[in-house]
Amino acid sequence: DTEVTQTPKHLVMGMTNKKSLKCEQHMGHRAMYWYKQKAKKPPELMFVYSYEKLSINESVPSRFSPECPNSSLLNLHLHALQPEDSALYLCASSQDFSRGVMNTEAFFGQGTRLTVV
Amino acid sequence: DAKTTQPNSMESNEEEPVHLPCNHSTISGTDYIHWYRQLPSQGPEYVIHGLTSNVNNRMASLAIAEDRKSSTLILHRATLRDAAVYYCILRDASGTYKYIFGTGTRLKVLA
Repeated sequence: DTEVTQTPKHLVMGMTNKKSLKCEQHMGHRAMYWYKQKAKKPPELMFVYSYEKLSINESVPSRFSPECPNSSLLNLHLHALQPEDSALYLCASSQDFSRGVMNTEAFFGQGTRLTVV
Repeated sequence: DAKTTQPNSMESNEEEPVHLPCNHSTISGTDYIHWYRQLPSQGPEYVIHGLTSNVNNRMASLAIAEDRKSSTLILHRATLRDAAVYYCILRDASGTYKYIFGTGTRLKVLA
C-alpha cells in the first residue's frame, strides 16, 4: 500500500468555524508533511513531523494547528481562517533517515480543497 | 535552501522525447536532485532522483551535469498522460526534511 489518504476531499467553512483535515498512511513512514498550494503555484511547505514530533514549522499562522497522534495519522486543525487561506492542502510522507543516510521519495495525497467563506 | 530555476512552460509532440531542464547553480555536495510531477487535480508524484550519476527508471531518465549545477529530466516518448507540471527539487541529505518546490515547468503534449 503506497497511498496517502486525505479526508475530506473538499471542505467549505466559515471564518468562525473550527474544522480538521486528516491524513493517513500505512507505509511505516516516520516523516509526515503538510503543504499549502494556491492555484497555479507550487506547493509551499507548512509543517514537518518526524517520529510524531514537530520538526519544522515554516512560520505558519497559529490559526493552523498540526497534530500527529500516532505514526500513521496527521491532522491539521483549522480555526478562524481567512478567505485567503482557501487553497489545496496536501499531505505527504516519507521514510525517516539518519544523517548522511538518505535517499527517499515522498508520497503525496490527493489533497483537500478548502474554501473559506 | 538551494534554489532551482526551470522554464515556465514547454511543449512537445506526442511520442517524441522531451528534455526538461533545471538549473541549480547553488547546489551543495549533499543535495540530491529530485523530480516530481503534478498531474491536473492530483497531488505531486515522484518521478526520479539522483546525486551525481545519470539515472534511469521506468518513467524517465535523469541526466546530471558533471559540475552538478544543472540537470535534465528526459521523457523518452511523451504521451498525453505526461501533461503535467514538472518540479525539480533539491533535497538536502544532511539531515533536514525539507522538500522545497520551485516554480516548475508546465508541459503540454500535443496530439
